[in-house]
Amino acid sequence: AQKITQTQPGMFVQEKEAVTLDCTYDTSDQSYGLFWYKQPSSGEMIFLIYQGSYDEQNATEGRYSLNFQKARKSANLVISASQLGDSAMYFCAMREGRRGGSNYKLTFGKGTLLTVNP
Amino acid sequence: NAGVTQTPKFQVLKTGQSMTLQCAQDMNHEYMSWYRQDPGMGLRLIHYSVGAGITDQGEVPNGYNVSRSTTEDFPLRLLSAAPSQTSVYFCASSYWAGSSGNTIYFGEGSWLTVV
Repeated sequence: AQKITQTQPGMFVQEKEAVTLDCTYDTSDQSYGLFWYKQPSSGEMIFLIYQGSYDEQNATEGRYSLNFQKARKSANLVISASQLGDSAMYFCAMREGRRGGSNYKLTFGKGTLLTVNP
Repeated sequence: NAGVTQTPKFQVLKTGQSMTLQCAQDMNHEYMSWYRQDPGMGLRLIHYSVGAGITDQGEVPNGYNVSRSTTEDFPLRLLSAAPSQTSVYFCASSYWAGSSGNTIYFGEGSWLTVV
């Protein structure tokens, strides 16, 4: 069974500084995908970044980058130059890579609440 | 292009009442799913469907029914609501695109309170 662990219930960062949110995962599959979502206080799930298990380079999307260490089974999210609007809940999630029902099922971690201080 | 539309956004039910959360997508995605989110937890899969007429259980299916008569719609039914079903519900749709890329789209969520 797949499992996602986010060990930081809460994190604080000063505006304009970088912050790393930790995520480790457990799977026996060779093909899988890793996601990060942002959930602001309004409640919607906002997709941030995706990393496939066979992707050789770390994914980047603007100020977001994913530090993918396959051997350690970690997929940490790095937010550079934090902004006040980054204050939100952040979830790491994983899906299997094979086509079929399992490909579409996401397993989520419990999340990290990020607070950006001015 | 509306994406994934969930209704209602907010609902208060009395214990024992029944209701249906609606989910519709206009992207012709083959796969749809329902998740619930409880305080201090990430989303957990309730039921999912890999195509019209095909549904299966996820991690927390008890107390919920689903059906998929069309590609576009995937309603979630609570037959006899219980306070333990107070939660935020998310519908998602997705498609196959190999092992790369984000292919999962979430609705905006439905806040359900059972009193």
